[in-house]
Amino acid sequence: AQKVTQAQTEISVVEKEDVTLDCVYETRDTTYYLFWYKQPPSGELVFLIRRNSFDEQNEISGRYSWNFQKSTSSFNFTITASQVVDSAVYFCALSEGSTGNQFYFGTGTSLTVIP
Amino acid sequence: EPEVTQTPSHQVTQMGQEVILRCVPISNHLYFYWYRQILGQKVEFLVSFYNNEISEKSEIFDDQFSVERPDGSNFTLKIRSTKLEDSAMYFCATRGLAGGFNIQYFGAGTRLSVL
Repeated sequence: AQKVTQAQTEISVVEKEDVTLDCVYETRDTTYYLFWYKQPPSGELVFLIRRNSFDEQNEISGRYSWNFQKSTSSFNFTITASQVVDSAVYFCALSEGSTGNQFYFGTGTSLTVIP
Repeated sequence: EPEVTQTPSHQVTQMGQEVILRCVPISNHLYFYWYRQILGQKVEFLVSFYNNEISEKSEIFDDQFSVERPDGSNFTLKIRSTKLEDSAMYFCATRGLAGGFNIQYFGAGTRLSVL
């Protein structure tokens, strides 16, 4: 079974539109961490955010916001007023346990922002 | 900002040849990882390394693979006899203890092409 599911394979939006990327995770651990990484066309993986399982507060960072809901095992990512530079593949990842070892990545969502 | 450095950025090799991928971790980081991303697919965990030994490995990490930290700085991934299906992007990641605990910082990747 997939530990991290990103059901949206590809999304296209017009610049300045808002877009939400979905992430659903599965774990039996009570302590875990969730992450979002951005992979631009250049290929590197850029860390965006980390959330631990005990902190369900939503977070906003500029145009980015994250909605963590344990009740639905979801950790969704919203980009407000999207820009062309947001075009990338976005990966959600899970790390289990208090020390956390390997990351389990979702299959990624490819976001294209059309000017 | 400290970063994980991977060399080379692109490695082309003939099937059956040995390759060594190199990674220079962020200074003071103690946990090291290798991940693989086949083109268009998700990022997959290969191995984690701590205190000069493997702490966890996936099914992908078979006898053809090995890791070491020969000089206390570089962290290397060796593939003894490459196969066509080893063609992928290989990411090194490192993790520290303080501050961004449990955040894995990724290098820009090495694209391995096996011909």
